[in-house]
Amino acid sequence: DAKTTQPPSMDCAEGRAANLPCNHSTISGNEYVYWYRQIHSQGPQYIIHGLKNNETNEMASLIITEDRKSSTLILPHATLRDTAVYYCIVKVGQGGSEKLVFGKGTKLTVNP
Amino acid sequence: ETGVTQTPRHLVMGMTNKKSLKCEQHLGHNAMYWYKQSAKKPLELMFVYNFKEQTENNSVPSRFSPECPNSSHLFLHLHTLQPEDSALYLCASSQQGEKLFFGSGTQLSVL
Repeated sequence: DAKTTQPPSMDCAEGRAANLPCNHSTISGNEYVYWYRQIHSQGPQYIIHGLKNNETNEMASLIITEDRKSSTLILPHATLRDTAVYYCIVKVGQGGSEKLVFGKGTKLTVNP
Repeated sequence: ETGVTQTPRHLVMGMTNKKSLKCEQHLGHNAMYWYKQSAKKPLELMFVYNFKEQTENNSVPSRFSPECPNSSHLFLHLHTLQPEDSALYLCASSQQGEKLFFGSGTQLSVL
């Protein structure tokens, strides 16, 4: 699986958009970009994933560059409960034996 | 509620004890996973089961023994653990290896 690079930490004001970047310059054509987050001492939570096109769901938006070498997770109106570690992972979409390898992620702190 | 339930939530054991962690998923998924998360470290994949068959053993010491009796249940049997094995143990499930659903984890302390 391709490696990803994320900033170790970011801050965001409550109510503002949080934009979390991720670089994945060695991504393969059949690898998806997945985002998870982990609130302290809980299991990670799936947020969103995409292949080429931008994606949006009730939690966030995912913007993938045209060359697919980087992406941005957008939380449009961050709340205090969005404070968590956010993980960007690339992997082939299907296949039960595919490893989901977590890096160190970005620690997002949403401030009042 | 993610549909993946882990018990117990907390466990304290001595190095000579034998204990088991339990995971149950109510999502109809065909793959289940054990991850380990030590303090301030990334999650480490330990084991993967697909359709009850183990497909991944990530060089895990034999003092950790997984068991998957059916596609809904996963156990991690622990014996003669070391203090450095203290960590948060997370179970997850998925359908065909797509998005993973995690349980809340078992916080294990080995004394």
